[in-house]
Amino acid sequence: QVQLVESGGGVVQPGGSLRLSCAASGFTFSSYGMHWVRQAPGKGLEWVAFIRYDGSNKYYADSVKGRFTISRDNSKNTLYLQMNSLRAEDTAVYYCAKTAGPYDRDAFDIWGQGTMVTVSS
Amino acid sequence: DIQMTQSPSTLSASVGDRVTITCRASQSISSWLAWYQQKPGKAPKLLIYKASSLESGVPSRFSGSGSGTEFTLTISSLQPDDFATYYCQQYNSAWTFGQGTKVEIK
Repeated sequence: QVQLVESGGGVVQPGGSLRLSCAASGFTFSSYGMHWVRQAPGKGLEWVAFIRYDGSNKYYADSVKGRFTISRDNSKNTLYLQMNSLRAEDTAVYYCAKTAGPYDRDAFDIWGQGTMVTVSS
Repeated sequence: DIQMTQSPSTLSASVGDRVTITCRASQSISSWLAWYQQKPGKAPKLLIYKASSLESGVPSRFSGSGSGTEFTLTISSLQPDDFATYYCQQYNSAWTFGQGTKVEIK
């Protein structure tokens, strides 16, 4: 079945780095744009980053621009989020999500279970 | 940036009630709006896309309407499984979520 599984979360000190992964299965990964969305404890959803199906376009939320990098390896059906210069306010559950269609302008129809990132000294 | 504002933030209702949640965009987003349901400790689930299209497998008691800047999500007869938090999301220009509406048991 269609599935997204995140990994790589953990506890990191302020200023540190972490790389999240999202393994996709059950669909043609290389045909869909992918997103990262985060949710701080007890808070709402915040869109973080998007990458087009072929990696040709990437967009970031202002809150992470210059610190986070989204990438993908279509040969491995895997999405990544490299997070540098982490701050306490980056503490959240990070979800990867698939676009419903082949377009940038689309809803998110499949979500992973999330991976927790805690930034604390 | 487009801001999304949901109302109310919390809604108390009983099983069988008709429930309506409103979402307003800070500028026109045409019909590029989705609704998601999230339960505690779980990932969000897509309910409605393009303002009024029901995602496959979602019960028909859920419906969406609106265009431009005003949108609504309606649950025609609230069921025990529907107590959750609901988010609207615009995808006209980048992607922005509303702050969420928690539907509680009255």
